[in-house]
This record gives sequence, C-alpha cells and structure tokens, in this order.
Amino acid sequence: KAGVTQTPRYLIKTRGQQVTLSCSPISGHRSVSWYQQTPGQGLQFLFEYFSETQRNKGNFPGRFSGRQFSNSRSEMNVSTLELGDSALYLCASSLADRGEDTQYFGPGTRLTVL
Amino acid sequence: GQQLNQSPQSMFIQEGEDVSMNCTSSSIFNTWLWYKQDPGEGPVLLIALYKAGELTSNGRLTAQFGITRKDSFLNISASIPSDVGIYFCAGRETSGSRLTFGEGTQLTVNP
Repeated sequence: KAGVTQTPRYLIKTRGQQVTLSCSPISGHRSVSWYQQTPGQGLQFLFEYFSETQRNKGNFPGRFSGRQFSNSRSEMNVSTLELGDSALYLCASSLADRGEDTQYFGPGTRLTVL
Repeated sequence: GQQLNQSPQSMFIQEGEDVSMNCTSSSIFNTWLWYKQDPGEGPVLLIALYKAGELTSNGRLTAQFGITRKDSFLNISASIPSDVGIYFCAGRETSGSRLTFGEGTQLTVNP
C-alpha cells in the first residue's frame, strides 16, 4: 500500500504570494492532519480534516487554511506569505476508525519564502 | 492546554550503548506514539501504544505506556550509527482529539 504523498516536495515563494500544498493520504484513511515544523522546533499542529470537515484546529492565523476532498485528499493554503512561514510542512493520515488513529506522515513540503 | 515534556533534549552516545528517553504529560492519554525523523524527511512511526502498562518492542526498540497514562518511555538497545536522528513522542487524550507532540530528542551516535 502506498504511503502518504505530498506535492510539491520543494517550493520557493516571495513575501506576499500565496501557496497551495497537496497531500494524498494512505488509501482508506479518512483523516488528514497538517503540521508546520521550523528548524529547532517541534511539530506545530495546524488543523485536521476528517470526512471533508475540519475536526481540530491549532493556533495559527487565518492566513492558513485547508480543505479535504471526497477522496480524502487534502490541500493546505497559505495566503500573504511571510518570511516566518518558511518551514517544512508535513501532513499525516490516519484510518480514524474504531480507535485506530495512528498517524502516518508524508515526506513533507519544504517551503522557502524570500 | 496539554503539555508534553520530552527528555532529554539531546544525547551523545557511543555505538553499542543503550539509550532511554521519556515523555510526561499534564493530561491522561489513551494513545502514545513514538516517531523518528531524519533530516528533511517526515517522521516515521516506530511504535504505537494503546493500553496503560503496554510494553511493545520493534527490533532493538522497546516502548512502554505508563500505568498512570501520563508518561511513556522509549529504549534503544545496542545503538548503531543509523539510529541517529530526532525522536518524537506524541500522545492523544481521546479518540478523535488532536495529537500533541513532544519537542524531540536529538540522538547522536559516535561510531
């Protein structure tokens, strides 16, 4: 079974632009969570989508948004990019069924904002 | 909110030594997970724990779900150079709630 895939793997943008990142979960997984990881920092939770609905949300500004499609694929959008948004963005999927909610991570998208 | 304290923050050991790291929580968790992350990659799941007192092994790795449900530890026996990386613990209070991650333990293994 294929793992979690994220596209693109690397991205360079300039301040003020917007960006959309994509995540395809493991087949059959219905939950997708997004995290931001900056150098020396742990994983900061952005949000989680389950069955096309946002189920949990972290403490990030409204510039960060996401959505999930009926096939469970998810996108994350960041508008009006700031230098501090440079980070590794990780998504993780889980079955989210009958207590089986172990998260499996994708390789991440490395975003650099210039 | 939830707080997860992971220690130590970093470890420098010799190849062949055993390693132990742990996480403590301010809340009761029903799930503990341990991940390893290599530079520039996503975290890889090592061990998942779902019951208080559960002790689970994965090769040279052993992890336990504390009986108080507020702590977990990970042991690595006979370390090798490829064990280098950052190890994260993560916990969840209830099914469907968000995962909370520890700040990570940076492991360096000297050959």
